[in-house]
Amino acid sequence: QLQLQESGPGLVKPSETLSLTCTVSGGSISSSSYYWGWIRQPPGKGLEWIGSIYYSGSTYYNPSLKSRVTISVDTSKNQFSLKLSSVTVADTAVYYCAGRVVPAASLYNWFDPWGQGTLVTVSS
Amino acid sequence: DIQMTQSPSSLSASVGDRVTITCRASQSISRYLNWYQQKPGKAPKLLIYGASSLQSGVPSRFSGSGSGTDFTLTISSLQPEDFATYYCQQSYSSPWTFGQGTKVEIK
Repeated sequence: QLQLQESGPGLVKPSETLSLTCTVSGGSISSSSYYWGWIRQPPGKGLEWIGSIYYSGSTYYNPSLKSRVTISVDTSKNQFSLKLSSVTVADTAVYYCAGRVVPAASLYNWFDPWGQGTLVTVSS
Repeated sequence: DIQMTQSPSSLSASVGDRVTITCRASQSISRYLNWYQQKPGKAPKLLIYGASSLQSGVPSRFSGSGSGTDFTLTISSLQPEDFATYYCQQSYSSPWTFGQGTKVEIK
């Protein structure tokens, strides 16, 4: 059973870079059926897709964050990572990593599984 | 970007009630619509994909319908463990977007 786990600092200073890593277990990050992505949720608010990466390294970002986001993959470690630069208090959120399933026999796609999430607070 | 609008934002219901949540897309998304359940402090959990396909392990009291711009999530008989926030998400085009959520509370 595929499982995802986020890791990284829980506190980041304004103007600095937020860095998180997601470790995939129970399966290979090089699976052709998955894109690997990041989704965030500010406290008490809704969900925002940040971006996704394929094991080959192809990336897709939300235009609203594209100028500040970098997602990378390390297939040797079965991990993918998020960097968000020039953070402000508005970037305070629970950050989830998730697999976006793209079955070979279907055009539909969805986010599953999800990591448990990690709260990142931006504060001086 | 495709905007997803859910209604209502919250509702109160009793155990055993039939509950319906609506999601509207700002443009046609065919049946590229997913539903998630989120409980406090937990990650969202996939319930329905492709507008009406039940994810493995999800109770059959959950069902989804709709196509184009209008979609519905129905819980046929609300159970105590169903009190949560529900989100729709379009998977038609990037950037993938979510509705603002519907909180189902105990009456």
